[in-house]
Amino acid sequence: AQKITQTQPGMFVQEKEAVTLDCTYDTSDQSYGLFWYKQPSSGEMIFLIYQGSYDEQNATEGRYSLNFQKARKSANLVISASQLGDSAMYFCAMRLNTGFQKLVFGTGTRLLVSP
Amino acid sequence: EAQVTQNPRYLITVTGKKLTVTCSQNMNHEYMSWYRQDPGLGLRQIYYSMNVEVTDKGDVPEGYKVSRKEKRNFPLILESPSPNQTSLYFCASRRQPGSYEQYFGPGTRLTVT
Repeated sequence: AQKITQTQPGMFVQEKEAVTLDCTYDTSDQSYGLFWYKQPSSGEMIFLIYQGSYDEQNATEGRYSLNFQKARKSANLVISASQLGDSAMYFCAMRLNTGFQKLVFGTGTRLLVSP
Repeated sequence: EAQVTQNPRYLITVTGKKLTVTCSQNMNHEYMSWYRQDPGLGLRQIYYSMNVEVTDKGDVPEGYKVSRKEKRNFPLILESPSPNQTSLYFCASRRQPGSYEQYFGPGTRLTVT
């Protein structure tokens, strides 16, 4: 069965600093995708970044990068140069590339960026 | 503009009063699904649909029904809502197979008293 674990209920970071949000996953499948979503206080789910299990390079999207360590089954999100607008809930999710390919989410990490 | 819409966005209702939350997408996507979000639990899949007239249960289907009579619409039906169904609900869609991007609706905040 798929499982995503986010062990940090909350994180604090100062503006302009980098922060790492942890995510570990569990699956016996070899083909899967890993996602990070941002949920601001307004509630919508915003897609941030995707990493395929066969991708050799870590994914990057602007200030977001995904530190993918396959052997450790971890997919940490790194946000560089934090901004006040980064304050939000962040969810890690996984999707197997078989069947319906549903997304399985972690419990989320609330990030607060202070001035 | 490509989007998933949900209505209503906010709903307060009473136990036992049937309600429907509508979901519509304009991207001709085959896959659609419903999730509920609860504090400390993340998002959990309720039901999903792989195409018209093809639906199946997700991880937490009890108390919910769905239908997929048209490709664009995927309503979520609560026949007899109970307080434990108070939650934030998301509809999502994506093209299949292989597409990794999933489009989420804006969410429906439901309170059952």
